[in-house]
Amino acid sequence: GAVVSQHPSWVICKSGTSVKIECRSLDFQATTMFWYRQFPKQSLMLMATSNEGSKATYEQGVEKDKFLINHASLTLSTLTVTSAHPEDSSFYICSARDGQNPAYEQYFGPGTRLTVT
Amino acid sequence: EDQVTQSPEALRLQEGESSSLNCSYTVSGLRGLFWYRQDPGKGPEFLFTLYSAGEEKEKERLKATLTKKESFLHITAPKPEDSATYLCAPGGSNYKLTFGKGTLLTVNP
Repeated sequence: GAVVSQHPSWVICKSGTSVKIECRSLDFQATTMFWYRQFPKQSLMLMATSNEGSKATYEQGVEKDKFLINHASLTLSTLTVTSAHPEDSSFYICSARDGQNPAYEQYFGPGTRLTVT
Repeated sequence: EDQVTQSPEALRLQEGESSSLNCSYTVSGLRGLFWYRQDPGKGPEFLFTLYSAGEEKEKERLKATLTKKESFLHITAPKPEDSATYLCAPGGSNYKLTFGKGTLLTVNP
């Protein structure tokens, strides 16, 4: 149980283009999903929290117009990196929390490696 | 501001050599202390949640313990397949987790 998938697992795009990453909870309803970014040899940094049907809450320093988050259903959240630049190259990981479980555990997807050339 | 410090940053053990990893934290309104394992190029894998001081949880060769300011992950007789980065994360308000930098564990055969 508690499986989270991400697609794609890796993507290469040219500078100035946009990239969409999908995060799905496969066997539970995720009322809350989180998006993290991880640079090499660094820990996970929370970018934003999204609740189904409402606007995402972004962490300080994260540009909401650049990182568009949509949590349209209880099993799907998307992160769109708009006008990507080489400095956006990173490992993006989503996590999801089971809305029917009062516990605080977050279950993570396998991550998406983004390379902007 | 919530803070997490993990030590050591890296730990190299021989197979069968037991040790402990430390996680010190400062968080307002702790809502659980979480341990995850992360393999290179993959997302974190959930290991344990501890909610109150004195609580202990075990899974195979791993045992996690919690005090008011620290958590320990004890590894008993580790095997090479236990090699990974171990992350701790206290949970705060709005279900947010604050991750430490992790301990990179290498177990040599």
